[in-house]
Amino acid sequence: DVKVTQSSRYLVKRTGEKVFLECVQDMDHENMFWYRQDPGLGLRLIYFSYDVKMKEKGDIPEGYSVSREKKERFSLILESASTNQTSMYLCASTQGRSWSNQPQHFGDGTRLSIL
Amino acid sequence: AQSVTQLDSQVPVFEEAPVELRCNYSSSVSVYLFWYVQYPNQGLQLLLKYTSAATLVKGINGFEAEFNKSQTSFHLRKPSVHISDTAEYFCAVIKAAGNKLTFGGGTRVLVKP
Repeated sequence: DVKVTQSSRYLVKRTGEKVFLECVQDMDHENMFWYRQDPGLGLRLIYFSYDVKMKEKGDIPEGYSVSREKKERFSLILESASTNQTSMYLCASTQGRSWSNQPQHFGDGTRLSIL
Repeated sequence: AQSVTQLDSQVPVFEEAPVELRCNYSSSVSVYLFWYVQYPNQGLQLLLKYTSAATLVKGINGFEAEFNKSQTSFHLRKPSVHISDTAEYFCAVIKAAGNKLTFGGGTRVLVKP
């Protein structure tokens, strides 16, 4: 089974801090994703990566950046955290260069609170 | 760009009763469709997917969904629910050969004894 591990289940940070959310997958998947989940809005794509050192913007990239230095690890960075970034963050991965018909495998999420 | 609408934000249902969760999408090109389930304090798990084979798709835990191109719908059904089906369910769409999966707002199912 694919295992996607997010480093923290709960995180509390202060406004203006730089925040790092880490995600590791153990199945050698090419593609990794970061979403945020808010009630009534479902999941919205922040950034994704289809290879090491490659990244593409999703639908809501403002205020975020990402890093993918190794194939198994994909980090989400909040450059200067703000209260409107309080949310559940979900990491996912999927295999293959042509992956649109493949399911994504999700971590358990990090619930981030910005005070 | 594609979009997904889940018409019910919450669905209460009694144990052993049937349930239907509605999903409508919009896209000008061919799409693939997915249903995911999220149990409390967990990530999302795949229930089933439609990728242009049979229009009636069977998934895990007794769920099935029917792709209807003319109505641009992909409704999820289960003939008899259990307490353990209490969860949030998400419909998602992606263009064939696309690279962005778009999710609906989710439907919370509460199964009552």
